[in-house]
Amino acid sequence: KAGVTQTPRYLIKTRGQQVTLSCSPISGHRSVSWYQQTPGQGLQFLFEYFSETQRNKGNFPGRFSGRQFSNSRSEMNVSTLELGDSALYLCASSLIDVNTEAFFGQGTRLTVV
Amino acid sequence: GENVEQHPSTLSVQEGDSAVIKCTYSDSASNYFPWYKQELGKRPQLIIDIRSNVGEKKDQRIAVTLNKTAKHFSLHITETQPEDSAVYFCAAIGNRDDKIIFGKGTRLHILP
Repeated sequence: KAGVTQTPRYLIKTRGQQVTLSCSPISGHRSVSWYQQTPGQGLQFLFEYFSETQRNKGNFPGRFSGRQFSNSRSEMNVSTLELGDSALYLCASSLIDVNTEAFFGQGTRLTVV
Repeated sequence: GENVEQHPSTLSVQEGDSAVIKCTYSDSASNYFPWYKQELGKRPQLIIDIRSNVGEKKDQRIAVTLNKTAKHFSLHITETQPEDSAVYFCAAIGNRDDKIIFGKGTRLHILP
């Protein structure tokens, strides 16, 4: 079956702009979680969605938001981009929740200039 | 807040030797501990996991041990091979809020 798909793979944005990233989970998976990966901070949990509802949230500012659609596809949005937002953004899908195996997408590499 | 510390940050071992990576967690309510392997330029992939009702789990050359009292868990790789070279992340998931906290990763180099 198809894996987790993230689009786009690469993105370059200017400070102050906003960006939307997309994640299509594995068919049948209802939980989608998002992570920010940077060399200095490693993998950090952003939020998790299940059945179109945000179930958990990490310690990120309100500029980071997301949503999930009825087909379980998810988007995350970052507004008023800062240089420090440059990172690899990974999404992962799980059958039920983060207590079950998470399957990661290839990620979206965001560069803010 | 919750924290997961992972050591060492870099580890080099001779091919065929064993590698051990250790993690400690702060939230005593954590009950699920997965380990992910990320090869260069690739996505993280689950290699083994353990739940708080088990002390040890083994899958071929890979094993994980959990000490709930001390709040630490370790990944053991025996008979290391070149393809084991990667970054390994531990994680802890809390029972109360399901937040997943990752360690900062260990870069494992397998030397020929």
